[in-house]
Amino acid sequence: AQKVTQAQTEISVVEKEDVTLDCVYETRDTTYYLFWYKQPPSGELVFLIRRNSFDEQNEISGRYSWNFQKSTSSFNFTITASQVVDSAVYFCALIRGEKLTFGTGTRLTIIP
Amino acid sequence: DGGITQSPKYLFRKEGQNVTLSCEQNLNHDAMYWYRQDPGQGLRLIYYSQIVNDFQKGDIAEGYSVSREKKESFPLTVTSAQKNPTAFYLCASSNTIGELFFGEGSRLTVL
Repeated sequence: AQKVTQAQTEISVVEKEDVTLDCVYETRDTTYYLFWYKQPPSGELVFLIRRNSFDEQNEISGRYSWNFQKSTSSFNFTITASQVVDSAVYFCALIRGEKLTFGTGTRLTIIP
Repeated sequence: DGGITQSPKYLFRKEGQNVTLSCEQNLNHDAMYWYRQDPGQGLRLIYYSQIVNDFQKGDIAEGYSVSREKKESFPLTVTSAQKNPTAFYLCASSNTIGELFFGEGSRLTVL
């Protein structure tokens, strides 16, 4: 069985602060993919990043960065210099084969 | 533009009625999915289809039915057997490397 845990249900930070969203996963498979999705108030999930289990290199995309550590089964997401437009629910997900397992999401609120 | 189209966006249903949610994609993806989202529970898989005329139950398939007669279409029927159907429903399709692309969702409310 596979499981994704996002322990932070809600986070609020003041604009321009950095914030890290945690994601811990469980799987017995050695080959899998991890994802982050953003769900703004409109409801549609927006793909942010995909990482395979053999690639532990951290990635940076603008203000977004991801830290993948297999040793701790974590795939954390950091937003630097947060903006109000970053307010959304963020989901971490694990896929193996055809089955995608989502975490319960973290609601991020950026306070102007 | 390529994407996933779900309709209707909002739907109200009386108890005991079946309702069908539409999902169409023009991304030429083989795989399609239906998820249910409830507050605090993330997304849970209802049904998925890897190919036309074939589909599999997900984690919470009871009270739901689907069909996959065309590659582009994967409608979901919420039957009267579903005990708590009020929720936000998301349809998705995936490419060959497992990236899911989601529609805007359909919010179903049972009156």
